[in-house]
Amino acid sequence: DTAVSQTPKYLVTQMGNDKSIKCEQNLGHDTMYWYKQDSKKFLKIMFSYNNKELIINETVPNRFSPKSPDKAHLNLHINSLELGDSAVYFCASSRISLTSGANVLTFGAGSRLTVL
Amino acid sequence: GQNIDQPTEMTATEGAIVQINCTYQTSGFNGLFWYQQHAGEAPTFLSYNVLDGLEEKGRFSSFLSRSKGYSYLLLKELQMKDSASYLCSTSGGSYIPTFGRGTSLIVHP
Repeated sequence: DTAVSQTPKYLVTQMGNDKSIKCEQNLGHDTMYWYKQDSKKFLKIMFSYNNKELIINETVPNRFSPKSPDKAHLNLHINSLELGDSAVYFCASSRISLTSGANVLTFGAGSRLTVL
Repeated sequence: GQNIDQPTEMTATEGAIVQINCTYQTSGFNGLFWYQQHAGEAPTFLSYNVLDGLEEKGRFSSFLSRSKGYSYLLLKELQMKDSASYLCSTSGGSYIPTFGRGTSLIVHP
């Protein structure tokens, strides 16, 4: 009964390929996210999505696209993979507190992508 | 946008107390968060401050001064298992959490 699950955990692929990472949450949260953590451990927001609004970090290349079939899923599709895409990708979800405005994230276990 | 600054690495002795500082600049403010991340694992939520002052949760406490754009995480009675990266995070008006580069804490015997 994992709260936020993402697959695959490891992904090794060649430059130029297209790949997807799937994410599902069973917490009933209304917002999901994708973060990229590079080799220096810097956790950087890529996308934020709820059923009303997609917010894209403008520095993310348009080769990356989020796809949300429903509120519980936010998949990440990457076209034409490059060496620099190698990183750990974390999915997360949250529900913003209406009283305090607190937005606590629950993370998936991460997907380590290696581009050769 | 947001700018979050924290030390890259700290070392401490088992049983001691360590304070990890974080300074931030945000457009709007909806809270200051601390997460713990062990090597090879996902970040997990530790604490949250939205008002000035100290929040205590067992061995961990977090402090916030909004006027100074400053927070710290205080870890008491350090244990070897506390060796991890500690991430300072804040969300501005968009409510989207952004993170500092993390402080790698090494606890030695």
